[in-house]
Amino acid sequence: SQTIHQWPATLVQPVGSPLSLECTVEGTSNPNLYWYRQAAGRGLQLLFYSVGIGQISSEVPQNLSASRPQDRQFILSSKKLLLSDSGFYLCAWSHRRGTGNTIYFGEGSWLTVV
Amino acid sequence: EDKVVQSPLSLVVHEGDTVTLNCSYEVTNFRSLLWYKQEKKAPTFLFMLTSSGIEKKSGRLSSILDKKELSSILNITATQTGDSAIYLCAARGENTDKLIFGTGTRLQVFP
Repeated sequence: SQTIHQWPATLVQPVGSPLSLECTVEGTSNPNLYWYRQAAGRGLQLLFYSVGIGQISSEVPQNLSASRPQDRQFILSSKKLLLSDSGFYLCAWSHRRGTGNTIYFGEGSWLTVV
Repeated sequence: EDKVVQSPLSLVVHEGDTVTLNCSYEVTNFRSLLWYKQEKKAPTFLFMLTSSGIEKKSGRLSSILDKKELSSILNITATQTGDSAIYLCAARGENTDKLIFGTGTRLQVFP
């Protein structure tokens, strides 16, 4: 069966510091990978998605970037965090289109920028 | 711009009550609608609906899609305190892997 791991679970970082959130999927190949952010009252906002190694699509302009160095690894980064980057970040995966398109989420990472 | 709207934003009920959560969508070339339950961390998948009028059921939860009205409902009968959560609705268009989420409905069930 497939599993998704995301870490760290909780992070408190000062403004201006770098960020790295990591996500890995096990038990499947060639997944689509996603980073969502959840802010209070705004639901889940898609930040990035990837259909393959090195292929990243950005949905909203922001202070963050994403990378996919391996097939089942997805990393969310920032060089200098802003207060507004605080929130709950969720990594997710799905099968490639045509093979079932439910999205499955990781446990999430709480980021507080102080 | 594609969007998903859920109502009500918040709902407080007593155990045993039946609740209906609403989701409406405006998505280009709509393909599917998904419901998730989020308790503390990761949203967990409940249903995926692609065809109008066909009810999906899992225990006390059921959901149905109305493509004519561009909407879906999620019903929970005989609610329990364990049903307390945020219920998220998401829609996907054709030729895309991206889900558009609503803001969710926060359900609180008191004993």
